[in-house]
Amino acid sequence: KQEVTQIPAALSVPEGENLVLNCSFTDSAIYNLQWFRQDPGKGLTSLLLIQSSQREQTSGRLNASLDKSSGRSTLYIAASQPGDSATYLCAVNTGNQFYFGTGTSLTVIP
Amino acid sequence: EAGVAQSPRYKIIEKRQSVAFWCNPISGHATLYWYQQILGQGPKLLIQFQNNGVVDDSQLPKDRFSAERLKGVDSTLKIQPAKLEDSAVYLCASSLESVGSGYTFGSGTRLTVV
Repeated sequence: KQEVTQIPAALSVPEGENLVLNCSFTDSAIYNLQWFRQDPGKGLTSLLLIQSSQREQTSGRLNASLDKSSGRSTLYIAASQPGDSATYLCAVNTGNQFYFGTGTSLTVIP
Repeated sequence: EAGVAQSPRYKIIEKRQSVAFWCNPISGHATLYWYQQILGQGPKLLIQFQNNGVVDDSQLPKDRFSAERLKGVDSTLKIQPAKLEDSAVYLCASSLESVGSGYTFGSGTRLTVV
């Protein structure tokens, strides 16, 4: 069974800093990996989707990388803003279903 | 395109009562999922539909939970009777049929069982 781990569980940074969130998974046989953002009490908003054949995806200040062989993905956030404060979840698609990590709670301090 | 619609947004019930949640996926999305997210945890799959057929319901507590997807579009998830540990956010998601597709989630229903 696929297991997804996200480190750190919580992160607090001052505004303007660049930061990296980590996601690791145990089975490299995946179709794709998706990063989501979740605000308190809300649903999940898709940020980036990386197919297994891709190495990275970029959207604005966000860049996600995927190293399937080592079972790792990173989400890089440039020039962080207070509005980036949320929980970030990664999900791995095995073809049967998505497996989620427990998330990283990010706080950006003004 | 319109997103995944869920209702209600919030629900508070007493234990042993019943409750139902509704989901309308993105038009054309053949696959529909219900997830349970307990506070501080990642979402856990309850049931997956492909059109109106069940693909995976291995983690659905069938003694109290049921779900259906009529005509391959809207879906309802029911809990009867509810327990305190059912307090969670219930998320509906949909995707295109292909395995390379990503998920689109609804806003979720926050259930509190008292």
